[in-house]
Amino acid sequence: DSGVTQTPKHLITATGQRVTLRCSPRSGDLSVYWYQQSLDQGLQFLIQYYNGEERAKGNILERFSAQQFPDLHSELNLSSLELGDSALYFCASKASGGSQETQYFGPGTRLLVL
Amino acid sequence: DQQVKQNSPSLSVQEGRISILNCDYTNSMFDYFLWYKKYPAEGPTFLISISSIKDKNEDGRFTVFLNKSAKHLSLHIVPSQPGDSAVYFCAASARGSSGSARQLTFGSGTQLTVLP
Repeated sequence: DSGVTQTPKHLITATGQRVTLRCSPRSGDLSVYWYQQSLDQGLQFLIQYYNGEERAKGNILERFSAQQFPDLHSELNLSSLELGDSALYFCASKASGGSQETQYFGPGTRLLVL
Repeated sequence: DQQVKQNSPSLSVQEGRISILNCDYTNSMFDYFLWYKKYPAEGPTFLISISSIKDKNEDGRFTVFLNKSAKHLSLHIVPSQPGDSAVYFCAASARGSSGSARQLTFGSGTQLTVLP
């Protein structure tokens, strides 16, 4: 158990809909990262938050947005969903300071868009 | 443009033998490298990491080797066990421009199967 939690575990929805994925980082970790893993693909970095502020953006679509709340949990919002958005979505958290570069991953949310 | 490549999608080894998983990278700014293991329906689990100031890091049965001149790293598992069967991802990290945060760039993974 990495200490990172994600809900829901599975999500089935229709094209055009909007969903929200939730992530709680490990206790004390200020950084939260979101990744997408499509079928037979590696993990693609989407976005990072640090202590409530956006820190870095990767291959995140304009239809997707995220935020990190004062209690440090994060939400990834996916809107106007398309079939191609079906994927595993992982969040990860990282300790702050020093040479800590290891990210610890949650169990993921499997999204299926029909 | 894949900056981190794992050219072998799969690898099978016999229990007790050595497993060697390979990873190549193209971005010379990468200075920290990690290996993750992933079981189906679970998130990636951190295994071992190495900074670019080292060429070897060992943790129990797992050793990571880094060859900076060749931009190549490898993960050695000795001895291999059936429970090691999983997808292994290598990842690399670089300091962002203008001091912005680091992010991980992942390879596409190698499915390791350890045969009893």
